[in-house]
Amino acid sequence: AQKITQTQPGMFVQEKEAVTLDCTYDTSDPSYGLFWYKQPSSGEMIFLIYQGSYDQQNATEGRYSLNFQKARKSANLVISASQLGDSAMYFCAMRAGETGANNLFFGTGTRLTVIP
Amino acid sequence: DADVTQTPRNRITKTGKRIMLECSQTKGHDRMYWYRQDPGLGLRLIYYSFDVKDINKGEISDGYSVSRQAQAKFSLSLESAIPNQTALYFCATSGSPQETQYFGPGTRLLVL
Repeated sequence: AQKITQTQPGMFVQEKEAVTLDCTYDTSDPSYGLFWYKQPSSGEMIFLIYQGSYDQQNATEGRYSLNFQKARKSANLVISASQLGDSAMYFCAMRAGETGANNLFFGTGTRLTVIP
Repeated sequence: DADVTQTPRNRITKTGKRIMLECSQTKGHDRMYWYRQDPGLGLRLIYYSFDVKDINKGEISDGYSVSRQAQAKFSLSLESAIPNQTALYFCATSGSPQETQYFGPGTRLLVL
């Protein structure tokens, strides 16, 4: 079975500082993908970053980077130079398996608050 | 224009009523999905479709049905709505198993 765990219900960060949001996963599939989505108060789900299980390097997208530690089964999101607009819920998700439905399994989310 | 649209954006209905939520996409993706999100929780999969002729149940399909009218359209129906179906519903699309899923703006449903 696939499982995603986000242990931080809420996080605070000072504006312009970096913050790490934790995510651990569990799967027996050798091929999988890890995603982070942002959900602002308006409710939409915004794709941020993707990491494939066979990718050799950690994914980066602008101020977002994914600290992928395969042996520890963790895929933490790092946001650098936090901005007030980064305040939102952040969800980690996993797609497992080579083929099939591409179903995503989501964690329960972390609410990030950026303090001015 | 948005690539994935959902209608309505908000809906209030009464217990026992039948309602339909609609999703349209212009991304040309074959795969479409319906999720629900409950307060304080992540998203859970209701149904998914690989193409027009392929419909599959997800984790929480009881009480729901779907219709894939065309590649671009995927509808979710609640045959007889109940209060615990009050949630935020998302449609999503992807182009292949490896590709990212892109979400619509969501539909907030309240069942009284």
